[in-house]
Amino acid sequence: DAGVIQSPRHEVTEMGQEVTLRCKPISGHNSLFWYRQTMMRGLELLIYFNNNVPIDDSGMPEDRFSAKMPNASFSTLKIQPSEPRDSAVYFCASSIVPLAGVADTQYFGPGTRLTVL
Amino acid sequence: AQKVTQAQTEISVVEKEDVTLDCVYETRDTTYYLFWYKQPPSGELVFLIRRNSFDEQNEISGRYSWNFQKSTSSFNFTITASQVVDSAVYFCALSERGKFGGNKLTFGGGTRVLVKP
Repeated sequence: DAGVIQSPRHEVTEMGQEVTLRCKPISGHNSLFWYRQTMMRGLELLIYFNNNVPIDDSGMPEDRFSAKMPNASFSTLKIQPSEPRDSAVYFCASSIVPLAGVADTQYFGPGTRLTVL
Repeated sequence: AQKVTQAQTEISVVEKEDVTLDCVYETRDTTYYLFWYKQPPSGELVFLIRRNSFDEQNEISGRYSWNFQKSTSSFNFTITASQVVDSAVYFCALSERGKFGGNKLTFGGGTRVLVKP
């Protein structure tokens, strides 16, 4: 079975450019998460969706960041305009929310390494 | 706010030695879940184990074992007879129940394990 798919795997761009990261969750999963990993801040949750609806975007750093999930099999994270401090590895994860009260396990994609010059 | 602390930043061992990774957490939730993830040099995040707060039975799975003690808010992880392939960064994570399902993960800072041949 295919895991979480992310593209591109590496992205190098110049400051001010728009960057779009893409994610395809595991088929059948109904929750999707975007994380960012940096040396300074570690792994931090940016936003998560449940059944394609954004539930919590409190981790999104600024208005320059936006995320969408138009359908159950695709999500994007967009940064516009990008800045050097956005350089990080961005992970997408998905899970299936089982019965109420039971935790799901999040499965991560390979990540997108973003470098903003 | 939830917090996960991994006090050990790096551990170096010789192959076949046992390695124990410490994890201490803080939460106000009465029901919660704890996870360990592995991040090998290739960069992906691999799910290892999951434990819920109402089951303190410690288990062994292959060369992995874990010791969950609710009284001390600790969730330690042991690799028995370490191998070079175990070299990675290991993350402890705590789940927080989201508003409408799904769980937000709070990660510790990670412990880098280096297994020397």
